[in-house]
Amino acid sequence: GAVVSQHPSRVICKSGTSVKIECRSLDFQATTMFWYRQFPKQSLMLMATSNEGSKATYEQGVEKDKFLINHASLTLSTLTVTSAHPEDSSFYICSARGDRAQDGYTFGSGTRLTVV
Amino acid sequence: LAKTTQPISMDSYEGQEVNITCSHNNIATNDYITWYQQFPSQGPRFIIQGYKTKVTNEVASLFIPADRKSSTLSLPRVSLSDTAVYYCLVGDIRGYSTLTFGKGTMLLVSP
Repeated sequence: GAVVSQHPSRVICKSGTSVKIECRSLDFQATTMFWYRQFPKQSLMLMATSNEGSKATYEQGVEKDKFLINHASLTLSTLTVTSAHPEDSSFYICSARGDRAQDGYTFGSGTRLTVV
Repeated sequence: LAKTTQPISMDSYEGQEVNITCSHNNIATNDYITWYQQFPSQGPRFIIQGYKTKVTNEVASLFIPADRKSSTLSLPRVSLSDTAVYYCLVGDIRGYSTLTFGKGTMLLVSP
């Protein structure tokens, strides 16, 4: 089946630095990718939707200048958390959707970000 | 997008059948019903998807009544490893609708 690879699985960074998270579709072309954030004991919250070759669409309340999303190819999307602060510590998950309806949505394994 | 309502938590014992029901009263004609499983610190994993009546795969069954305003995920003979959060999502997979997650159901399977 469709596989989405997400790296790194966990990262610790200092406050004020930037962190990049990669999401790759390994065996299909992902025309659309989604980025979610999940706080402890809460559900996944959609942050943004990106389509290959175009700007991402951010959900209300998500700062686009802080969470930079790049979807430059059909197999790779990146989320960069800029000037990270402790409140950005969370579990970030990407999801990819192929260009065929039957591809459905496949999720990455997630990235645990801790900002110290 | 149709909003979903699920029980917050359920308890079961190994070997039992578990049925988790999800309400989606305002489901649209083009919407499919999809269930995901999530373990701690992992991304959601697809379990099953359906549009109407009954769908069965190697891990679960999905029952959808004629009015499609609810659906029931059935897990036969659960094991300890089935302890996880289960999410019911409703949306048009054929389009570009996003998946909006509700609160999910925390299933705890005990020995």
